[in-house]
Amino acid sequence: DTAVSQTPKYLVTQMGNDKSIKCEQNLGHDTMYWYKQDSKKFLKIMFSYNNKELIINETVPNRFSPKSPDKAHLNLHINSLELGDSAVYFCASSRGGGLGDNEQFFGPGTRLTVL
Amino acid sequence: SQQGEEDPQALSIQEGENATMNCSYKTSINNLQWYRQNSGRGLVHLILIRSNEREKHSGRLRVTLDTSKKSSSLLITASRAADTASYFCAISQGAQKLVFGQGTRLTINP
Repeated sequence: DTAVSQTPKYLVTQMGNDKSIKCEQNLGHDTMYWYKQDSKKFLKIMFSYNNKELIINETVPNRFSPKSPDKAHLNLHINSLELGDSAVYFCASSRGGGLGDNEQFFGPGTRLTVL
Repeated sequence: SQQGEEDPQALSIQEGENATMNCSYKTSINNLQWYRQNSGRGLVHLILIRSNEREKHSGRLRVTLDTSKKSSSLLITASRAADTASYFCAISQGAQKLVFGQGTRLTINP
């Protein structure tokens, strides 16, 4: 019954490693997002996909590469992890609409710790 | 900055009291949304108010929007311990993009 799910919930890794976070939504939504929430709780959008196509890319380092195999999935791959990548990453989804007038449904978050 | 800015950053009140949180922004908006985040959880949508609306209610929640002052407020009446959470406003300018503030951390004391 989970609407937006993410795996893993916790991820602890060494600097320089490559890791992936997976996200799936079963709401039939057209649009999916990745957000980064830092230690001060500031939530910032990273990417947005609509029907598997990238529509928002917010000046994120190209070490971060989203991949959407279908509109129900949006995975986030991170290369060469750095200390500053430590944060909680949230996946979200919403219906299409074009004007941002739809509520977003968030996953439970993935807490990434880079050592 | 496009982001909404919440005020206060932290609020602690007694159970049963009303809690008011404010959000200010700098740009024109399509709508403004309020979300709640419980500790260690994802955000949950509470209310969406469009730019041509002035007030909306949902249960114990009341949201106002003043586009001339570029501000919104969230009022939670008759607060309960379960309302303890962080509350975020998010402004929408279109293209399915929301810009979030840093949130107000609300603590309800029993």
